[in-house]
Amino acid sequence: DAGITQSPRYKITETGRQVTLMCHQTWSHSYMFWYRQDLGHGLRLIYYSAAADITDKGEVPDGYVVSRSKTENFPLTLESATRSQTSVYFCASSSQGPHEQFFGPGTRLTVL
Amino acid sequence: EDQVTQSPEALRLQEGESSSLNCSYTVSGLRGLFWYRQDPGKGPEFLFTLYSAGEEKEKERLKATLTKKESFLHITAPKPEDSATYLCAVPTGDIQGAQKLVFGQGTRLTINP
Repeated sequence: DAGITQSPRYKITETGRQVTLMCHQTWSHSYMFWYRQDLGHGLRLIYYSAAADITDKGEVPDGYVVSRSKTENFPLTLESATRSQTSVYFCASSSQGPHEQFFGPGTRLTVL
Repeated sequence: EDQVTQSPEALRLQEGESSSLNCSYTVSGLRGLFWYRQDPGKGPEFLFTLYSAGEEKEKERLKATLTKKESFLHITAPKPEDSATYLCAVPTGDIQGAQKLVFGQGTRLTINP
């Protein structure tokens, strides 16, 4: 199916564990993004990528790592999860230029 | 610093009662303003893009307008299915980073039947 997908949709982990959230898009969009959404903070950009092998930090990158070896995939890794990283994570993609971003369904992550 | 402020935070309307949501922004060199709808448990869904003051876009019961300082999302004769959180966002940063969006906190709209 065309679009943008995220997996897993729900994840519970423990403090200190490594967690990887997956994002896949079928539009061949150049840009991909990771956001977290928390009550009181709205959507905040974690990392973004302008193309394969090109990534850059957003507003709240600490504790996260990204990679983009293929245009269609943009995984987000929490190297050592902390309780403050409990949140809903959204992946998004957009084509070149100041165009709208299209969001995935989100991953709800709970760190115990 | 580029900022987006939405008001009100929450709004309850009766079915058929028209109203407007506000999105004010401070950004150097507007390169577009985006409106999204977000239903509970789902990702934001794109609604409109506005690029210049005076521009208007419509979709069903929604109309978005843009001035030099703010945007309005007008909802005419809303139905319960219009209940959602409405987000606005503007691109920020330099041209290379123009794809980075700053989002407002959103307006949670509830339409009572």
